Amino acid sequence: QVQLQESGPGLVKPSETLSLICNVSGDSISSYSWSWIRQPPGKGLEWIGYMYFRGNTNYNPSLQSRVTISVDTSKNQLSLKLTSVTAADTAVYYCARAAPGKTYYDVSSGYLHTYYFESWGQGTLVTVSS
Amino acid sequence: EIVLTQSPDTLSLSPGDRATLPCRASQSVDNNYLAWYQQKPGQAPRLLIHGASRRATGIPDRFSGSGSGTDFTLTISRLEPEDFAVYYCQQYGTSPLTFGGGTKVEIK
Repeated sequence: QVQLQESGPGLVKPSETLSLICNVSGDSISSYSWSWIRQPPGKGLEWIGYMYFRGNTNYNPSLQSRVTISVDTSKNQLSLKLTSVTAADTAVYYCARAAPGKTYYDVSSGYLHTYYFESWGQGTLVTVSS
Repeated sequence: EIVLTQSPDTLSLSPGDRATLPCRASQSVDNNYLAWYQQKPGQAPRLLIHGASRRATGIPDRFSGSGSGTDFTLTISRLEPEDFAVYYCQQYGTSPLTFGGGTKVEIK
């Protein structure tokens, strides 16, 4: 059974870069697609982006200019970087294993994949404050 | 972007009651790719339903999903004490993937 564990700094200063790691155990990270999702305190869920198992990524347009998701297959780790953070980025950040929906072609973005989320990490709270 | 609306924000029910939670999409959800999650305080969401009506592994059969197009429903046939939680719908018919705002099922 897959287990996911997020880790990283709990406090980040405004304008700096938020960096998180998700350690995956029980599965090869290369065999699945993965996503990051966040939840501001007391609010709902927001999809951040995914890493397709063959290596390409897709991000929420609302965050696209600031976010990078990558994989280190040697460590079985997923990572998230979010630049130029503000207080609005304060949230619990979750990594999740993504189960496939559909693949389709978008003229501006190329091939896109959709997912639902079958396994989640416990989440890590990141607060943006000086 | 498809906007998912979950209303009401809160349902006050008693154990043993039937719970009906709607989720309405701003446009038709391709292939009825609609999932439901349960979240308890301090915990990560848990997948209940995918493909609008397919129960995830290990989910009790008192949870059922239905609907198509723009209107979907999660039904809990008979509320158990452990079912009082927040429930979110999520569409995965089109990118960007989006979630509804959630419905809290609280004890009356």
